[in-house]
Order: sequence, then structure tokens, then C-alpha cells
Amino acid sequence: DIQMTQSPSSVSASVGDRVTITCRASQGISSWLAWYQQKPGKAPKLLIYAASSLQSGVPSRFSGSGSGTDFTLTISSLQPEDFATYYCQQANSFRIFTFGPGTKVDIK
Amino acid sequence: QVQLVESGGGLVKPGGSLRLSCAASGFTFSDYYMSWIRQAPGKGLEWVSYISSSGSTIYYADSVKGRFTISRDNAKNSLYLQMNSLRAEDTAVYYCARENIALYYGMDVWGQGTTVTVSS
Repeated sequence: DIQMTQSPSSVSASVGDRVTITCRASQGISSWLAWYQQKPGKAPKLLIYAASSLQSGVPSRFSGSGSGTDFTLTISSLQPEDFATYYCQQANSFRIFTFGPGTKVDIK
Repeated sequence: QVQLVESGGGLVKPGGSLRLSCAASGFTFSDYYMSWIRQAPGKGLEWVSYISSSGSTIYYADSVKGRFTISRDNAKNSLYLQMNSLRAEDTAVYYCARENIALYYGMDVWGQGTTVTVSS
């Protein structure tokens, strides 16, 4: 099975900061990677699909990059509404859609 | 509008059963693959099961294989998760989500979740 790791597990940042979250797959998954944002008590929201494609309606300060095993989610200028937990998820192995453990972005 | 609404959660004793439902509206349900995802209290997301648009292809996470059964009724625009032999570790919020092939299987629509508590 493909395992997903994320780093850091948490990050403290200020409004306006640039934040980068890394996701790594245990084996190559091409560009079959998505990123989700989840706020407390709410369902996750799709931000990025196909590793670098921005989901409709998502602000352009969010961007994704990478392919193979290493991926990055970048928030170019953190806004108050961006404080949340972020998850990567692989869809390369159609038998199991593994999520990463999550990265919590909180206020510094 | 495009919407998924889960129901059927509740409190159940270990070893018991529960059936979750997910009602879809605002889109052509039969065109989409669907998944169940769960989140234990204070924990991350765990993908549980997946079903193709016709219901012909089904996958499960190892943690629920042999105990949970996913199904769908396209005529009723509904997705189901039959959960048997429940354990304390199945306690979680259960979400249904739409898999969008056009988005590399990104899950672009989620329900609000239904809570399952397994406790004696």
C-alpha cells in the first residue's frame, strides 16, 4: 500500500506569511494527488487536484506542485480564513485512496 | 444546489450494526463514483470505501474489510454503508464524498458528516 507523510505536522504563522507544506508518497504516484483544507467541525474542502490544478472557487494564493513522490502546497500570503488543517491524498492506487496525516496551520 | 446529506449515525454497542445513508441532490448521481471517509475524534481523515458509478467496482480499507459493505441505489440517488461487527475504533464522523474523475478523482463534494459512536 502507498503511504503518505506530511511535514511539518503543525506550523505557526502570521497573516501575510508564506506557508509551505510538504507531502511525500512511499512510491511514485505521478500527479495523482489532491490537497484538502478542513476547519474544525466542518467537512474537508478540495483545494488542489492533479497535484497543481486549482479547484474552482479556490483563491489563487493557494498553489500546488510536484510529481512522483514529492509534493508541495503553498499559501503565498496567509489570510485569517486559512487557519485550518491541510491534508494531502493520493488517488494513484485506485484500490486505496490514502490521506496524509495532516498539517495544522495556526496563528503565531 | 449540489448536495450530499448523510444520516443513520448514532450510538451502538460493540459488535452491533448500523447502516449509514447518503442522499445526493443537484447532480446526476449515477455518473459519479462515491466514497466514504471517516474521522475519529481528534484524528485525521481515513478513507473507508469506494464504489464505482454502476456499483460494479468496490474497494475497502483493510481496517473495515469483511465488516463493512458499501452499496448504492442510483434510482434513489443514494449511497449506503452497512457496518457490522462494530468496534470502539470505528467511532468517528463518517462523510460521504463525490469522486470526480475529471478532477483526477478529487473529492469535490462532501456531506456534513454523521457521527457513529461505538460504546457499551
